[in-house]
Amino acid sequence: AQKITQTQPGMFVQEKEAVTLDCTYDTSDQSYGLFWYKQPSSGEMIFLIYQGSYDEQNATEGRYSLNFQKARKSANLVISASQLGDSAMYFCAMKASGTYKYIFGTGTRLKVLA
Amino acid sequence: DTAVSQTPKYLVTQMGNDKSIKCEQNLGHDTMYWYKQDSKKFLKIMFSYNNKELIINETVPNRFSPKSPDKAHLNLHINSLELGDSAVYFCASSQMAISTDTQYFGPGTRLTVL
Repeated sequence: AQKITQTQPGMFVQEKEAVTLDCTYDTSDQSYGLFWYKQPSSGEMIFLIYQGSYDEQNATEGRYSLNFQKARKSANLVISASQLGDSAMYFCAMKASGTYKYIFGTGTRLKVLA
Repeated sequence: DTAVSQTPKYLVTQMGNDKSIKCEQNLGHDTMYWYKQDSKKFLKIMFSYNNKELIINETVPNRFSPKSPDKAHLNLHINSLELGDSAVYFCASSQMAISTDTQYFGPGTRLTVL
């Protein structure tokens, strides 16, 4: 069975510093995708970044990067130069090829301090 | 140009009432979903339709009935509302059953049952 684990219920980071949000996954599939979403206090779910299981390079999107370690089954989100607007819930998700179902973690609440 | 839209954004109703939430996507996607997010922010998939056919039907009370008139629309009807139905309901869409396929969410509908 597929599973996503986010072990940090809450995190604090100082403004302008980098922060890593942890995500580990469990799957027996060879082809899968890993996704991160941001949910600010306004409630919408915003897609941030994607990493494919066969991608050799870590994905990057602006200040977001995904630290993908396939052997460890981890897909941590790194936010560089944190901003106050980064304060939100962050969800890690996974989808295996050939399925329509996305598996979500329980989320990490990030608070950026001024 | 909203990609995935939901109406209404807020819904306050009495126990025992019947209510509907509507969802529309203009992304040209074939697959649509309903999720329930509880007060602890846990996202639970409820249903998914692909080209108007039900493909995911998780353990959900049969008071919840999805309807997909076409692949751009997925509505959720809830009969005999209960206090425990209070949550945020998200509609989402994606294109196909491959691992690289990103899922996009609507803004959510906050349902409060009194």
